[in-house]
Amino acid sequence: RKEVEQDPGPFNVPEGATVAFNCTYSNSASQSFFWYRQDCRKEPKLLMSVYSSGNEDGRFTAQLNRASQYISLLIRDSKLSDSATYLCVVTPNTGGFKTIFGAGTRLFVKA
Amino acid sequence: DVKVTQSSRYLVKRTGEKVFLECVQDMDHENMFWYRQDPGLGLRLIYFSYDVKMKEKGDIPEGYSVSREKKERFSLILESASTNQTSMYLCASTSPPGNQPQHFGDGTRLSIL
Repeated sequence: RKEVEQDPGPFNVPEGATVAFNCTYSNSASQSFFWYRQDCRKEPKLLMSVYSSGNEDGRFTAQLNRASQYISLLIRDSKLSDSATYLCVVTPNTGGFKTIFGAGTRLFVKA
Repeated sequence: DVKVTQSSRYLVKRTGEKVFLECVQDMDHENMFWYRQDPGLGLRLIYFSYDVKMKEKGDIPEGYSVSREKKERFSLILESASTNQTSMYLCASTSPPGNQPQHFGDGTRLSIL
């Protein structure tokens, strides 16, 4: 089993739709969680951190479910510019530097 | 804003060449990382460094070495380039503790012919 698993997609949604991605992680001691966005042939960029209490930034909402060991990303009112690959990122609570990146979920938003 | 700069966006080298990829960050970060990214495989950690002259192997260090002589600079070296090292190479940096988000450079798309 992979340490971090994501549905690779692609998710094809129309503009204005709401779309949600889940990401599961295997290490229950994981400490920090993030969503990154990666455009085609570009570097990953931090989208948002995921806190135990949830986190909202405009049209984006991230949630953490420690009991079921997954994090989610909800995008409301999708824009064409949201088309990208979304990476789930997990950092174990080992005091080390082993950050685990998911392989990503591809999103296409169409007019 | 954190700025991580990689020396080349695109690079073409020949099999057997020694290849240097440079990375510089301007945020005084202690931790620096080198990844490669291949379709379907995601990001894989090659090496990381948590201090000047310190380095640790990641998941796929074979065929690579690194150098960190100054805090802001982390170099990746392909000792004898091979075609299976054709990939996108990404440098990242972060401040301690190890659970902070990483900031990436633009990436170097390396082709080995």
